[in-house]
Amino acid sequence: AQTVTQSQPEMSVQEAETVTLSCTYDTSESNYYLFWYKQPPSRQMILVIRQEAYKQQNATENRFSVNFQKAAKSFSLKISDSQLGDTAMYFCAFLPNAGGTSYGKLTFGQGTILTVHP
Amino acid sequence: DAMVIQNPRYQVTQFGKPVTLSCSQTLNHNVMYWYQQKSSQAPKLLFHYYDKDFNNEADTPDNFQSRRPNTSFCFLDIRSPGLGDAAMYLCATSRGLAPEGDAYEQYFGPGTRLTVT
Repeated sequence: AQTVTQSQPEMSVQEAETVTLSCTYDTSESNYYLFWYKQPPSRQMILVIRQEAYKQQNATENRFSVNFQKAAKSFSLKISDSQLGDTAMYFCAFLPNAGGTSYGKLTFGQGTILTVHP
Repeated sequence: DAMVIQNPRYQVTQFGKPVTLSCSQTLNHNVMYWYQQKSSQAPKLLFHYYDKDFNNEADTPDNFQSRRPNTSFCFLDIRSPGLGDAAMYLCATSRGLAPEGDAYEQYFGPGTRLTVT
């Protein structure tokens, strides 16, 4: 079974600054996907960024980037130039790619509440 | 825009009174999921469908059932809601086809917040 750990229950950052959210995971799988999801207050969960475990290059989506350390089983999210709209609960999630199946159970971390202050 | 729609957004039911939550999608995705999310916690997968193939999580209570009459719709039935079933219920979809990166991505609806009185 997989576990995902987010050790920072809450984080805060000033607008325009950079913040990094931590995530570690434990798995015996060699092939898997990692995701960061954002859930704003009272709004729906949306995908922020995806990383395939077989790719060494860290994923980047505009102001969002990850630091994927496969050997260390670490997957942190960096948000640059933080904006007020980034205020949300952020979930790290793991999805195994077992036998080439392309669907399955997302294992979520406990979440990190990020508050961006003006 | 293609999306995942959940109705109603807020549902109040009485203890023990059956309730049905609805999810529809215009993404034409093969896989549909139901998650339960309690306050400030991570979503917990209840079950999912790949087309009409139903997959129940081992720890999903028997009180929860699901139906998927066609590709677009999926329902969550709670037969006898208890106070502990009050939560946000999230529906999600994914393409579930060839093993390409975005086939795995799950797209979430806005959720239905269930209150049990």
